[in-house]
Amino acid sequence: KAGVTQTPRYLIKTRGQQVTLSCSPISGHRSVSWYQQTPGQGLQFLFEYFSETQRNKGNFPGRFSGRQFSNSRSEMNVSTLELGDSALYLCASSLEAAPGELFFGEGSRLTVL
Amino acid sequence: ELKVEQNPLFLSMQEGKNYTIYCNYSTTSDRLYWYRQDPGKSLESLFVLLSNGAVKQEGRLMASLDTKARLSTLHITAAVHDLSATYFCAVGNFGNEKLTFGTGTRLTIIP
Repeated sequence: KAGVTQTPRYLIKTRGQQVTLSCSPISGHRSVSWYQQTPGQGLQFLFEYFSETQRNKGNFPGRFSGRQFSNSRSEMNVSTLELGDSALYLCASSLEAAPGELFFGEGSRLTVL
Repeated sequence: ELKVEQNPLFLSMQEGKNYTIYCNYSTTSDRLYWYRQDPGKSLESLFVLLSNGAVKQEGRLMASLDTKARLSTLHITAAVHDLSATYFCAVGNFGNEKLTFGTGTRLTIIP
């Protein structure tokens, strides 16, 4: 059974640019959530999507956005990149019925120069 | 606002010894997770604890939950080098997948 797949795994951008990250959940999983991991702030919740609807949102500026497609794949976008956006972005998927396990992908490591 | 505190932040222990990592959370929550993260890697799910008094064990790791004290522990028995990693606890509620993570405990097992 394939796990959560995130692309790209690594990317380098410059300040002011924008970036789109992709996440394909485990087959059958309808919930996709995104987390940012940095050495200073740790793991922080960005947002969660379920059946193409944003179900919850963390405390991040509007530059961070996301969406989910009908096949449950999700993308997140960060516009006007800042140096502080450098982080490991993790996507997690789960079955519809909580409580359940959250399965994390390998992450997309973003470096902003 | 839900806060999750772990201690210790760093733990260096010898092989064969026992130790416990503590996870305190500030408000009533429905579920608690323990994850392991190796350097440069993603999060690996270890345990999901749902009810007061829940205890789960896998190999040398055992997790427990006391919802009244808002405390979970991760106990390591007879540590081996392979257990060196960063361990996170995370707390959430039913109805959504928003988890609040602890700061993590970086565990180093010394031969």
